[in-house]
Amino acid sequence: QVQLQESGPGLVKPSQTLSLTCTVSGDSISSVGYYWSWIRQHPGKGLEWIGYMYYSGTIFYNPSLRSRLTISGDTSKNQFSLKLTSVTAADTAVYYCARVVYSSGRGWFDPWGQGTLVTVSS
Amino acid sequence: DIQMTQSPSSVSASVGDRVSITCRASQDISTWLGWYQQKAGKAPKLLIYAASILESGVPSRFSGSGSGTEFTLTINSLQPEDFASYYCQQATSFPLTFGGGTKVEIK
Repeated sequence: QVQLQESGPGLVKPSQTLSLTCTVSGDSISSVGYYWSWIRQHPGKGLEWIGYMYYSGTIFYNPSLRSRLTISGDTSKNQFSLKLTSVTAADTAVYYCARVVYSSGRGWFDPWGQGTLVTVSS
Repeated sequence: DIQMTQSPSSVSASVGDRVSITCRASQDISTWLGWYQQKAGKAPKLLIYAASILESGVPSRFSGSGSGTEFTLTINSLQPEDFASYYCQQATSFPLTFGGGTKVEIK
């Protein structure tokens, strides 16, 4: 059974870089056909797709975040990571990692990690 | 970007009721729509993909329908564990986008 677990600082200062890691167990991020994604949820709000990666290096970013965003993977540790630079209070959110499963020709997020709250504040 | 609009934003219902949630896309997304359930303090869970295909393990009281720009999630005979928020998601084009959510509350 695949499980994902986010880790990283819960508090980041404005203008600094938010860095999170997702550790995957029960599956390999090198598995053919699966992508690995980040999604966030602002407090009390809806969901925002951040981006996702394939182990071969293919990456898709949300254009609204692209200029500040890097998603990468470490197959030796079976982890993938998110770096978001120049953060502001608007980046305060619960950050989720999720596997992207392609069924019926499109990708669906399944399963998700439990999420980690990141607060941007001085 | 494709905008996803859900209605209602919240609904009060009783155990045993039938509940329907609508999701509208700002442009044709064929059947590339998923539904997720999120319980308080938990991560979302995939319920339905490709508009009408039930994810493995999801109870058959959940069903999805629609194509193009209008979609419906129906919960037949609402159970206590179904009180949660529900989100739709389009998978047609980047950026992938979600609806604003519908909270199903106990009447």
